[in-house]
Amino acid sequence: DVRVVESGGGPVRPGGSLRLSCAASGFTFSYDAMNWVRQAPGKGLEWVSSISSRGHFIYYSDSVKGRFTISRDNAKNSLFLQMNSLRADDTAVYYCTRGSRSGYGGYFDYWGLGTLVTVSS
Amino acid sequence: SYVLTQPPSVSVAPGQTATITCGGNNIGTKSVYWYQQKPGQAPVLVVYDDSDRPSGIPERFSGSNSGNTATLTISRVEAGDEADYYCQVWDSSSDAYVFGPGTTVTAL
Repeated sequence: DVRVVESGGGPVRPGGSLRLSCAASGFTFSYDAMNWVRQAPGKGLEWVSSISSRGHFIYYSDSVKGRFTISRDNAKNSLFLQMNSLRADDTAVYYCTRGSRSGYGGYFDYWGLGTLVTVSS
Repeated sequence: SYVLTQPPSVSVAPGQTATITCGGNNIGTKSVYWYQQKPGQAPVLVVYDDSDRPSGIPERFSGSNSGNTATLTISRVEAGDEADYYCQVWDSSSDAYVFGPGTTVTAL
């Protein structure tokens, strides 16, 4: 079965950094694009960042561009999100999702349970 | 950037039909995807490519897309269909995935 499991969330001070990880299993990780989608408490879904199957295409939402960095290690079936200069409005559950294509576009067909990031002083 | 609009809420009696709209400029030229999210759970894809259903999704869930409006229709609504529903597209103009604000479906 396809499975993605996030880790690395927790409390952090404004201006601080955090690195999220996502461990994938049950599919050929190197074939698929991977993404981060977040959801602030009581709010809707917000796409954060995407990386193509081999890392050639990387995209960020305007709200995180310049502060967050997405990366992947296909040898270890892992996805990462380095989050710097964190702000209170980055507080959210962060979901790791598999993309429906190897590049960009399409939809998110598998989601993890999410990891909560709380930015607060 | 591309903007999607959805009604905040839809209420429907069990057994009746719920219709959730997703508005966007010429959205009919894009592929639209729909997700269901129940409280405390991760979203689940219920419709892809405007009108196709992933395996395991009941036939009661159907979608359409034309002009400036995409629609998710839930026939014979059950109490278990109560959830938030989000539409999503890929905006090639800005290289971004876009979600609608979500619609809460309540079975009265």
